[in-house]
Amino acid sequence: NAGVTQTPKFQVLKTGQSMTLQCAQDMNHNSMYWYRQDPGMGLRLIYYSASEGTTDKGEVPNGYNVSRLNKREFSLRLESAAPSQTSVYFCASSVEGAYSPLHFGNGTRLTVT
Amino acid sequence: DAKTTQPPSMDCAEGRAANLPCNHSTISGNEYVYWYRQIHSQGPQYIIHGLKNNETNEMASLIITEDRKSSTLILPHATLRDTAVYYCISSGYSSASKIIFGSGTRLSIRP
Repeated sequence: NAGVTQTPKFQVLKTGQSMTLQCAQDMNHNSMYWYRQDPGMGLRLIYYSASEGTTDKGEVPNGYNVSRLNKREFSLRLESAAPSQTSVYFCASSVEGAYSPLHFGNGTRLTVT
Repeated sequence: DAKTTQPPSMDCAEGRAANLPCNHSTISGNEYVYWYRQIHSQGPQYIIHGLKNNETNEMASLIITEDRKSSTLILPHATLRDTAVYYCISSGYSSASKIIFGSGTRLSIRP
């Protein structure tokens, strides 16, 4: 039982390049989330998807887009990477919204030079 | 929406109980208290949650005051593997954007 799987684990981009972070869960959860964590800080919500077919902005959505491809998969896209987007990105899922525990993946470590 | 306050750091001797406090004085009636921990750079791990009754599972106990304005996470016999950042969060049946992870409490376990 893999839980929440994120790919890639590490990525280095040059400023202006684009990339997509992938996330998949095998727990049949309805809700999925993308967070970023900067050094020494807590997690900040970028986007979330309460259920398949819906997405909403979180606290720090600028510079990102998301796609809820199906119930299992929720991707995060950086269209034109900036050094300020250097961070660790965590994907999470929950059975149903904010009323149920979040299950996190192990993160993607992104560096933008 | 409730925000929580935690001490930035604590330490505890191995084998002793670690008691981590959290203030959530503005919590609303339908919001739960959740605890997560983050070991090193891994993804946060769910520990326990509760509404108003005390809760216990295989990892920890959660004590919530009667007025629900504060709670304490108890790790009954701390080990070195419990060294982590612990996050206390309040959330309920509302937008997921209200799930706020603060800076947490960095718990160090002394051998």
